[in-house]
This record gives sequence, C-alpha cells and structure tokens, in this order.
Amino acid sequence: DAGITQSPRHKVTETGTPVTLRCHQTENHRYMYWYRQDPGHGLRLIHYSYGVKDTDKGEVSDGYSVSRSKTEDFLLTLESATSSQTSVYFCAISRLQTSTDTQYFGPGTRLTVL
Amino acid sequence: SQELEQSPQSLIVQEGKNLTINCTSSKTLYGLYWYKQKYGEGLIFLMMLQKGGEEKSHEKITAKLDEKKQQSSLHITASQPSHAGIYLCGADNQAGTALIFGKGTTLSVSS
Repeated sequence: DAGITQSPRHKVTETGTPVTLRCHQTENHRYMYWYRQDPGHGLRLIHYSYGVKDTDKGEVSDGYSVSRSKTEDFLLTLESATSSQTSVYFCAISRLQTSTDTQYFGPGTRLTVL
Repeated sequence: SQELEQSPQSLIVQEGKNLTINCTSSKTLYGLYWYKQKYGEGLIFLMMLQKGGEEKSHEKITAKLDEKKQQSSLHITASQPSHAGIYLCGADNQAGTALIFGKGTTLSVSS
C-alpha cells in the first residue's frame, strides 16, 4: 500500500463544466503522475509533477491542467469537460528521488462526461 | 517515439495450465515493469527488470528481460483463478520522465 487516495472515485458531469480530481499521498514522495486509461489506448500520461509547483506536460495534456501547492496533493482539472474526457483516471507516485522508478498507483477515478 | 506491444491481447486458460505473455518494445528497454490490474481497480506492481537476461520470480509468476533488452516475457505456472486480470507492461520513456505502457493482456482462468 503506497498510501495513495483519489477523490472522488466516481463522477458524472455534463459537457462544459469544470471538474477537479484530487490525488493525495501520505508518504511525502517527490514525483506524482496523472494517467488516463481508455480501451484500445492503455494508460497514457497526462501531466506529472517533480515537486511543489513543478509540473510538466505528458502525452495527452490538452484540455487538462494540474496544480501542486503541497507535497501531498496533486490536482487534475478539466477546465471545460468534453465527452472525449470520459475515462478512468489514475494517479501514481514514485518512491525514489528519480522519475525513472517503479510507480505505485491509486485506485482510480471513473469520470463520465455526458 | 517508443511503443510497447503486448501479445496476446487476451487469453483464456484452464486452471492449472501454464501461460506466457510477451511485451515487445520498439526501442531498447532500460527499465521494464509488470503490473496486474483487476477490473475497476488500480494497478498492482509485480516486478521490475533492468538488466538484459535478468529473471525475477514472485510466487508462480516469472518475468524475464531478454539479452537484447527489447522484449520481456511474463510466465505463469499452474494458473489459478486468482491470476485472472489484466497484465500490463510499462517502460521508462525516452525522456526519463515517466512510464509508457502496453495496451494490456486480459487473462481469464477457467476452473
């Protein structure tokens, strides 16, 4: 158990509304990641963070923003949700002080955009 | 960009049978990770391989990284219903900033 929680676990929202997903870790790890998982695409990196206020884009960052004001929290925001953002979102952390290390995943958030 | 291809996409095996899942990379692998996922849940880390020829085992699951470091195999011996799920391989991306993943192999074990 890597001490990662995600909230909410399930959310249904309407097109055009803003949505924020939260990832919380209890072990003070430096690196945190947001992925989305879709059938036929597998897991794809959205954004990652390498410290407080330090973030960078991943493979599928369009339409998403992130913030990390505290070590323990990494927020993913959909500014104006679209149906193409219906997905399962996973947060992950790396335990060592490097990015290329085993990642441990949270339980996921299932988001449906109607 | 680097891609990971897993085969087969899915398989059904009878309980007690052995099986192998493959993960092939388009580029040299510098870190290869195997995860298992049950439907509706998060990914559970199984094993990490870094050196060519390296082999690791955990209970009845063995993973190996080939000498040329472009393919890994995951072998399950005497499969059980508890082995059912989606197996994903992941690798360090070229920039060294995160992981890329294969699309997964869905395993069903019939009793």
